[in-house]
Amino acid sequence: DQQVKQNSPSLSVQEGRISILNCDYTNSMFDYFLWYKKYPAEGPTFLISISSIKDKNEDGRFTVFLNKSAKHLSLHIVPSQPGDSAVYFCAATPSGNTPLVFGKGTRLSVIA
Amino acid sequence: DAGVIQSPRHEVTEMGQEVTLRCKPISGHNSLFWYRQTMMRGLELLIYFNNNVPIDDSGMPEDRFSAKMPNASFSTLKIQPSEPRDSAVYFCASRSSGANVLTFGAGSRLTVL
Repeated sequence: DQQVKQNSPSLSVQEGRISILNCDYTNSMFDYFLWYKKYPAEGPTFLISISSIKDKNEDGRFTVFLNKSAKHLSLHIVPSQPGDSAVYFCAATPSGNTPLVFGKGTRLSVIA
Repeated sequence: DAGVIQSPRHEVTEMGQEVTLRCKPISGHNSLFWYRQTMMRGLELLIYFNNNVPIDDSGMPEDRFSAKMPNASFSTLKIQPSEPRDSAVYFCASRSSGANVLTFGAGSRLTVL
């Protein structure tokens, strides 16, 4: 059973528009959430994170929203750029010295 | 820092052969993780170490898989004997104590024919 779910395998967005990537989780013990970005033939790289004590965290064009009651988080990219085309992984952890649990990823294609 | 270093980047081998993947974590990071990426299962945790000690290997698929961390700067993941279903990209990641963010290596793409 997947504790972190990304139900959209792919997403296509026009350049300049907003990209919204979604993630759901089932484990109530998760209290820290991260998004990673992965280009082909490279390892995942950290993008942005949010603690469960917040409901929003913003870093430039990237914003992560957390809805604890719905066990749902989303990543907003505004405006989307062709260089944002990559696979995005959602991850969660109970914090402490525990591993990250990843979703299966969403492939974002930003069309010029 | 050069980041997390993995070798080989690509490995093609025949079924039944032994495969050894290597990882050098970032200096000062005391936790090391091995993940495997497949289309079907995404990024799944195989095993992780804290201070060179294996903590949880429940993600290791079978006894054919083994991992070691003889010192703070080196880890290996071994598959013996390898099977075609082991074909995947294997990632090593590390982080420092108390941190949540993992730093990943570039991965080792394994193809078992």
